[in-house]
Amino acid sequence: AQSVAQPEDQVNVAEGNPLTVKCTYSVSGNPYLFWYVQYPNRGLQFLLKYITGDNLVKGSYGFEAEFNKSQTSFHLKKPSALVSDSALYFCAVRDRGSGNTGKLIFGQGTTLQVKP
Amino acid sequence: GAVVSQHPSRVICKSGTSVKIECRSLDFQATTMFWYRQFPKQSLMLMATSNEGSKATYEQGVEKDKFLINHASLTLSTLTVTSAHPEDSSFYICSAPVHSGNTIYFGEGSWLTVV
Repeated sequence: AQSVAQPEDQVNVAEGNPLTVKCTYSVSGNPYLFWYVQYPNRGLQFLLKYITGDNLVKGSYGFEAEFNKSQTSFHLKKPSALVSDSALYFCAVRDRGSGNTGKLIFGQGTTLQVKP
Repeated sequence: GAVVSQHPSRVICKSGTSVKIECRSLDFQATTMFWYRQFPKQSLMLMATSNEGSKATYEQGVEKDKFLINHASLTLSTLTVTSAHPEDSSFYICSAPVHSGNTIYFGEGSWLTVV
């Protein structure tokens, strides 16, 4: 079965410091991986995705993620956190069993708190 | 860029009534859309896959007679919560894929409160 795990419920970081939000996955074959951010009472905003190609993926708002096949991880990173980055972050994998429909399997989410 | 619009953003209804939530793809066609339910500070739970011109596919445990989904056009899917109860109060979010499912956009979500 395919799954995504975000081992941390919350990550706290000081403004200006680097941040990492962890994600590991379990899929058969090559994964299609995504990161989304959700601000309070809002929908999900797309940050970045890994489909194929370079393992380091750069996305919106200065975020990047590194696909690591051997560790089955896709951690989200940012070199210098902003207070405005505080939000709920979701890692997701596209359900291969659904073909190209875009059905996603989500991790449980990680709340990022950036303190001034 | 591609945008998915959801309406209403907030709705309050009385127990026993029905409420409809719309999900529109604004500059692309979506033969498939997805409906999720989210409880506060929790992950998204997929409720159903909406298929244009055919019946929706519901996830296990989701009552199809209670959560009616209609996907009558390539840009519009609707979710109707019938005979709403307070326990149906939740945040409902839709999504639609583009580029053969390589990019998936989400609506802004709809807060439903049943009183």
